[in-house]
Amino acid sequence: AQSVTQLGSHVSVSEGALVLLRCNYSSSVPPYLFWYVQYPNQGLQLLLKYTSAATLVKGINGFEAEFKKSETSFHLTKPSAHMSDAAEYFCAVSDQRGGGTSYGKLTFGQGTILTVHP
Amino acid sequence: EAGVTQSPTHLIKTRGQQATLRCSPISGHTSVYWYQQALGLGLQFLLWYDEGEERNRGNFPPRFSGRQFPNYSSELNVNALELEDSALYLCASSAGQVHNEQFFGPGTRLTVL
Repeated sequence: AQSVTQLGSHVSVSEGALVLLRCNYSSSVPPYLFWYVQYPNQGLQLLLKYTSAATLVKGINGFEAEFKKSETSFHLTKPSAHMSDAAEYFCAVSDQRGGGTSYGKLTFGQGTILTVHP
Repeated sequence: EAGVTQSPTHLIKTRGQQATLRCSPISGHTSVYWYQQALGLGLQFLLWYDEGEERNRGNFPPRFSGRQFPNYSSELNVNALELEDSALYLCASSAGQVHNEQFFGPGTRLTVL
């Protein structure tokens, strides 16, 4: 079974500071990994994805994430936070392999609310 | 390119009633997924339809059902509504199983009174 753990339900940073949102996953097969962002009263927008190519993945809005198999981690970072980055962020995992109960679905972490202070 | 659309935006029902939620995928996408985002429970996978067939189902009771039409749009039906069904229901679509990248709609907010 797959699972995702996001460490820290709330993260607060100052504008211009480093953003680090933590995600650890559990999967019995090679995973695909995703980060999504959700602004209030909206759906989810894909920030970036890992699909077993490069381990350092660059996404939209200056975000990037590094896949570390040995640590089963896929942390999201951004060098300098903007006020517009304030939102809820979700890490998700999916199964590369066909068949099985986890096939086709995304399993999400509980989300991390990012607050950016002026 | 138009994104995933969902209707209605908001839906208010009373206990025991039925709710029908609709989703139109991105043009060219054949897979539609439904997720429930309930307060305190996070995002939970409900259903996956591809080429008109149900491919996978999450851990939800049978009163949650749906279908996919020939034009790949989809409908989620919730029968015998309970108070705990109140949630944001998100629909997503994908072009197939390559990388399973899913694009989400804005959601339907279902309130059960």
